[in-house]
Amino acid sequence: ETGVTQSPTHLIKTRGQQVTLRCSSQSGHNTVSWYQQALGQGPQFIFQYYREEENGRGNFPPRFSGLQFPNYSSELNVNALELDDSALYLCASSLLGLAGLETQYFGPGTRLLVL
Amino acid sequence: AQSVTQLGSHVSVSEGALVLLRCNYSSSVPPYLFWYVQYPNQGLQLLLKYTSAATLVKGINGFEAEFKKSETSFHLTKPSAHMSDAAEYFCAVSGSGTASKLTFGTGTRLQVTL
Repeated sequence: ETGVTQSPTHLIKTRGQQVTLRCSSQSGHNTVSWYQQALGQGPQFIFQYYREEENGRGNFPPRFSGLQFPNYSSELNVNALELDDSALYLCASSLLGLAGLETQYFGPGTRLLVL
Repeated sequence: AQSVTQLGSHVSVSEGALVLLRCNYSSSVPPYLFWYVQYPNQGLQLLLKYTSAATLVKGINGFEAEFKKSETSFHLTKPSAHMSDAAEYFCAVSGSGTASKLTFGTGTRLQVTL
């Protein structure tokens, strides 16, 4: 069984640029959630996708957007990068079924540095 | 709204000693509670979860946690620390609905000394 994978592992951008991060879900999972983890902090929920639709969003501005594809992989896009966007971005996949949302399994993350 | 508070940003124990990491939660609905571990430069690994079944939950690597509703607590314990347990530990809470985000605490860094 393949776990959650993310690419790239590291990325350096400058202020104002745009970035796309990618996530491949664990086999059999239909839901993807994205989290931002600033240095020394716990992860903060950005949004969740289920069946290619946004299914919940945290307190992040619209310049954070996402996509989920038919194979349940996902992208996180961030426009107009700011210095404070420097963080570890974590993707988590899970199965949303009749019993609700099951356990979320995390990928290794993409570390973004904005200069 | 849901939240968790982790008491103690750093905990240091000797190898072989008891590990106790504290977590208190706040939730307006019956909570699901989780402990995750994060090793340096890695993602989060699930240690254990509480989903309203048994109040004493056993996880991987010898860890366990007890859900105490009266104290709104979900502390993580391990009888005997090992050097390989040194990592960052996060407590998290979610609801049981279909769009259940995880709300994390700020983490506790566990140091294990010889």
